[in-house]
Amino acid sequence: KNEVEQSPQNLTAQEGEFITINCSYSVGISALHWLQQHPGGGIVSLFMLSSGKKKHGRLIATINIQEKHSSLHITASHPRDSAVYICAVVYNTDKLIFGTGTRLQVFP
Amino acid sequence: KAGVTQTPRYLIKTRGQQVTLSCSPISGHRSVSWYQQTPGQGLQFLFEYFSETQRNKGNFPGRFSGRQFSNSRSEMNVSTLELGDSALYLCASMIAGTEETQYFGPGTRLLVL
Repeated sequence: KNEVEQSPQNLTAQEGEFITINCSYSVGISALHWLQQHPGGGIVSLFMLSSGKKKHGRLIATINIQEKHSSLHITASHPRDSAVYICAVVYNTDKLIFGTGTRLQVFP
Repeated sequence: KAGVTQTPRYLIKTRGQQVTLSCSPISGHRSVSWYQQTPGQGLQFLFEYFSETQRNKGNFPGRFSGRQFSNSRSEMNVSTLELGDSALYLCASMIAGTEETQYFGPGTRLLVL
């Protein structure tokens, strides 16, 4: 069993839909990252969370440390949101473990 | 500020050769981490350097090594290349700590034939 599990693995949506991507982990962590990877490989760090909730534009990330769970929400999705979204947890202070990613496709 | 830069962007090597990849972090960032991304294994952590010292290391064989220079630029070396080393190699920089946003470079795509 992976220490970081993401769901769903693949997601398709129509433009405008509200999207949720989930990340569950089994280790004690000090922080969690949400990353976005576009075709071609470029990775952008969206959020770094250690508690609560963060919002940036149409993106919202939440984390529940007790339940070992985080969610990434995209409101009013757009085709340019199509990408792979990766959750990564920081444990033992320095180590990063990555989830397998969620491939999102948003159709106009 | 300029972002994280990696060179070269694409590289083709043959089995048994060695390769050196370079990463220049964002100015002022002292931490550089390296990652390998393959379709089968996803993103995996290779190692992290901070102030010219390897601070953390993932589970990769000794063929994978790195170093960091006094200007925070980092290099990663892979010796005796194997077919399975074909991957996208990404580096990311942070100011200093681990609970910070990481800024990723565009990656170096390595193909081993």
